[in-house]
Parts: sequence; C-alpha cells; structure tokens
Amino acid sequence: GQNIDQPTEMTATEGAIVQINCTYQTSGFNGLFWYQQHAGEAPTFLSYNVLDGLEEKGRFSSFLSRSKGYSYLLLKELQMKDSASYLCAVSYYGNNRLAFGKGNQVVVIP
Amino acid sequence: DTEVTQTPKHLVMGMTNKKSLKCEQHMGHRAMYWYKQKAKKPPELMFVYSYEKLSINESVPSRFSPECPNSSLLNLHLHALQPEDSALYLCASSRGVGTITDTQYFGPGTRLTVL
Repeated sequence: GQNIDQPTEMTATEGAIVQINCTYQTSGFNGLFWYQQHAGEAPTFLSYNVLDGLEEKGRFSSFLSRSKGYSYLLLKELQMKDSASYLCAVSYYGNNRLAFGKGNQVVVIP
Repeated sequence: DTEVTQTPKHLVMGMTNKKSLKCEQHMGHRAMYWYKQKAKKPPELMFVYSYEKLSINESVPSRFSPECPNSSLLNLHLHALQPEDSALYLCASSRGVGTITDTQYFGPGTRLTVL
C-alpha cells in the first residue's frame, strides 16, 4: 500500500489555527488532494498540490514537500462549521486510484 | 459547475431485494467511480469507469454490478446484499484518469441499509 498516514483527531477553539499533517510514500507520486467531509456527507474538494510549496485559498492553505513525502493542511480563523473530517488523498502514476488516509477529525469548540 | 448527483439519498433493502443506485454528472468528465464508505473510515474504491469502460474492479463481490450506460451516467445494481454491505455509497467523477489535475468530485452519496 501507499501508507498514507494522518493523525486521527484534534480539538481546537473557534478563531484558532490548526495544522493537519499527512505523510505518504514518495515513489511514483503524482499529486496530493485534501478533502473536507462533514458527518454523513460526501467529501468536498479543498485543494491539490503537485509542486513543492504552499497553496493558499482563503482560510485554508496546503503545503507539500515531495522529497519528504509530507503535506499539511492549515486551517486559519477556525469556525464552528469547520468541524469535520479532513482527508488526505494521494494519486500515483500509472494508477487510477486515489489512496486515502484515514482522515483527521477536527472538532471546533466555542 | 462541479455537481455530481446521486439517487436515492437513502435506501433500505432486504437481503433478497434487487435495487439500483444512480449517479449523474454533466461536467463532461470521462472517468467515474464508485466508493464504499463505512463510518469513521476513508472511502474505499470499488469500481472505476474510464471512457465508459470498466477499468478497475477492486475485487468487489458479484452482488454489486456496475453499469455505465453513457458518459454522464453510472449505475450500481445491487442484489442479494448482506447486512455488512450497509454503508454510504459515493459516486465521483473526474475529467480523465491519471493526469496530474484529475480532481475527483464526489456526489452526496446514498446511505444504504441492508436488513
């Protein structure tokens, strides 16, 4: 397997910043995606990273280091609606599959 | 527009029933996917269709039978399911398969309960 690894759960306060990490096997790496999934709903695409560096989209940013097989998703100015599971998914060359991590459950409290 | 639609939203069926799940997208995407997701687990890939042809079957039991009637539609026919098949079934689509920017967009899912 591609050993996509994510921590499982974290709690943070409204207005705070959280960082969700993801590590993966680097061989054949093609791209990395972050999805948000609220309980009982479908995953919603947040961002993708192909090259090293930081991609910023409003309150959400995603970082990639291809040499380290590492990515993180940064959530700023947390809102209650950000309580969800955040899934890291990796695409590999010659492969029609997305390898999903187990997801990181973020709970935002007042 | 990045919308993938799925029907029904909820389905309850007995182990002897035959039912079908439907998925539709009008984004011109040529790859479509079925996933199964259990609570607190990531989505598990079941099938991939590329240009209306089945390209991946992840060793899914034959009681699940996919069908792609055209480039916009994807069905999943269900027959003689087991209670452990109860899950959220997600459909997704992407522009193509295997290129760098092939983001998969997910439908809202069908919550299936097998009694």
